[in-house]
Amino acid sequence: RKEVEQDPGPFNVPEGATVAFNCTYSNSASQSFFWYRQDCRKEPKLLMSVYSSGNEDGRFTAQLNRASQYISLLIRDSKLSDSATYLCVASGSARQLTFGSGTQLTVLP
Amino acid sequence: NAGVTQTPKFRVLKTGQSMTLLCAQDMNHEYMYWYRQDPGMGLRLIHYSVGEGTTAKGEVPDGYNVSRLKKQNFLLGLESAAPSQTSVYFCASQWRRTEAFFGQGTRLTVV
Repeated sequence: RKEVEQDPGPFNVPEGATVAFNCTYSNSASQSFFWYRQDCRKEPKLLMSVYSSGNEDGRFTAQLNRASQYISLLIRDSKLSDSATYLCVASGSARQLTFGSGTQLTVLP
Repeated sequence: NAGVTQTPKFRVLKTGQSMTLLCAQDMNHEYMYWYRQDPGMGLRLIHYSVGEGTTAKGEVPDGYNVSRLKKQNFLLGLESAAPSQTSVYFCASQWRRTEAFFGQGTRLTVV
């Protein structure tokens, strides 16, 4: 079983739609969580950190459920520019950053 | 502020050749990582370092070696390249458990 698992998609949604991505992690000792965005053939860039209390940044909301070892990302009012691959990341007790395989999103006009 | 710089950006190797990829960061980060990314797959950790002079194996370390002689540099070596090592290699650096910053990647083809 992979340490961080994501639904690979692809997700194809119309502009303005709300889309949710889910991620599970198997290492209960993981302490930090992130969502990264990766555009085609480019380096990943931080979208947002994920906190236990949940956090919001504009149209993006991230949630963490430690009991279920589950992380989510909600994107509201999708824009064409949101098209990318979204990577779920967990930082474990050994200080390794472990990435999920990514979920591909295409926002359609 | 350069952030994380990888060199080279592209390289073609013949099977059996060796090469070293350099990652340099100017943010005084303790942690550094080397990942590989294959088409349709996520990033897989090759090796990582939590400080100068220390390295550790990640998920896919076979065929690679690393060194962290200076805090700002993390080198990835391929002693005898194989076609299976054709991939995009990303280096990242991180200050403890905060955001990790990535280099622009090295596209390596082994023929």
